[in-house]
Amino acid sequence: DTAVSQTPKYLVTQMGNDKSIKCEQNLGHDTMYWYKQDSKKFLKIMFSYNNKELIINETVPNRFSPKSPDKAHLNLHINSLELGDSAVYFCASSQAGVNEQYFGPGTRLTVT
Amino acid sequence: AQRVTQPEKLLSVFKGAPVELKCNYSYSGSPELFWYVQYSRQRLQLLLRHISRESIKGFTADLNKGETSFHLKKPFAQEEDSAMYYCALTSGSARQLTFGSGTQLTVLP
Repeated sequence: DTAVSQTPKYLVTQMGNDKSIKCEQNLGHDTMYWYKQDSKKFLKIMFSYNNKELIINETVPNRFSPKSPDKAHLNLHINSLELGDSAVYFCASSQAGVNEQYFGPGTRLTVT
Repeated sequence: AQRVTQPEKLLSVFKGAPVELKCNYSYSGSPELFWYVQYSRQRLQLLLRHISRESIKGFTADLNKGETSFHLKKPFAQEEDSAMYYCALTSGSARQLTFGSGTQLTVLP
C-alpha cells in the first residue's frame, strides 16, 4: 500500500526524445512536488503544485513541465531530452498546514 | 534567499562512537528545519523535525537560532546508520524544501 509511487523506476532514452514520469499519491495530500537529485546526490526542488498554484523553480528549463490530471497525480513531462537531464527524479507530497513531505522511490533517468 | 549548508560531504565513524552531522542555515524569517535520511537505494524519508523535539533511532537535533544551526547527533553510532543524510528547511506558502548538499555517513565495524 505505497503512499507515493512513481513509474517507471528506471528510464533509459536517447537525446532529443520526449518522456514522461508519473507520480501518484494515495495520502489525500493537497500539494505535490518534483525534485531532481544529480550525480553528486544534490537535491533540488523543481516544482511545487496544488490545485491553486504552480510554483516553478526559475532554474528549471521550460523543457520540463508538470501536468496534474487530478489531485492525486503530478506527472513530469520532459521535451527534447539532453545528457544533463540524467538524474534521479523524486516526487513528493504534503498536506496543507503540515510541512512534512513524503517521497516516492525515485525514477532514475539516463539519457544517452 | 534561503540556504542550507552541510560542510561535510563524507563522514566516517566507528561503531559505538558519537556522531555529529553539521547543518547551518540562512533564512530571514522563521524556517522549519528537518533531517531526511536516504538509505542505500531507498527513498528519502523523514528522520526528524525541529518542532517535534523528539529522538528518532537515537538521533536528536536541536535548533540553535543564535548560531543558525541544526546539527544532528547520536551518542553511539550503529552500522545500520550508514546512509546519506540531508538537512532541509521549508518556509512560506509554497512549502518547498531547500536541501543541503548531504552528508554520507559511514559507520565502520
